[in-house]
Amino acid sequence: KAGVTQTPRYLIKTRGQQVTLSCSPISGHRSVSWYQQTPGQGLQFLFEYFSETQRNKGNFPGRFSGRQFSNSRSEMNVSTLELGDSALYLCASSGGMGGGAGGNEQFFGPGTRLTVL
Amino acid sequence: AQRVTQPEKLLSVFKGAPVELKCNYSYSGSPELFWYVQYSRQRLQLLLRHISRESIKGFTADLNKGETSFHLKKPFAQEEDSAMYYCALVYNFNKFYFGSGTKLNVKP
Repeated sequence: KAGVTQTPRYLIKTRGQQVTLSCSPISGHRSVSWYQQTPGQGLQFLFEYFSETQRNKGNFPGRFSGRQFSNSRSEMNVSTLELGDSALYLCASSGGMGGGAGGNEQFFGPGTRLTVL
Repeated sequence: AQRVTQPEKLLSVFKGAPVELKCNYSYSGSPELFWYVQYSRQRLQLLLRHISRESIKGFTADLNKGETSFHLKKPFAQEEDSAMYYCALVYNFNKFYFGSGTKLNVKP
């Protein structure tokens, strides 16, 4: 099976612009999660989509949004970019059903490196 | 509030020495805990999860609810174990909280 793919791999934007990142999950996976990774804050959960619906949300401002399409592909959008949004954005997919309290193995993509100037 | 703490940013050991990567969590319900690993130039990947109670690459982790810990252990470290290790708490299906990570450096 092909792994999780993310496009683009690198992006440079300026403050105030907006950006859209894309994630294609492993075939058959219905859950897609997004994370922001920075040296200072580590890996932080942004949100998770399952069957086109946002199922979980982290503590990020409304400038960060996402969506999922019927083929499970997902996009993440950041509007009005700030310098602090510079980070590696990781996408992960999983089967999504969970067991008990949940928690499926997450398969991570290579990430999109966003630099905001 | 949910929290995962990995107190060591860097852990250096010699090859063949035992290694323990610490993880403490804060969660009011029944936790589900994972260890993820990222080798150099590779993607983040699952190492093990507490419900499976298995040993992967010689690593084990036991959930201690009394001490709210999920430490990762290996009796004899190998150079190929050098990597970044993340402890993660998950609830509500797929809401993951990751610790800040511990870089393990195994010296020859």
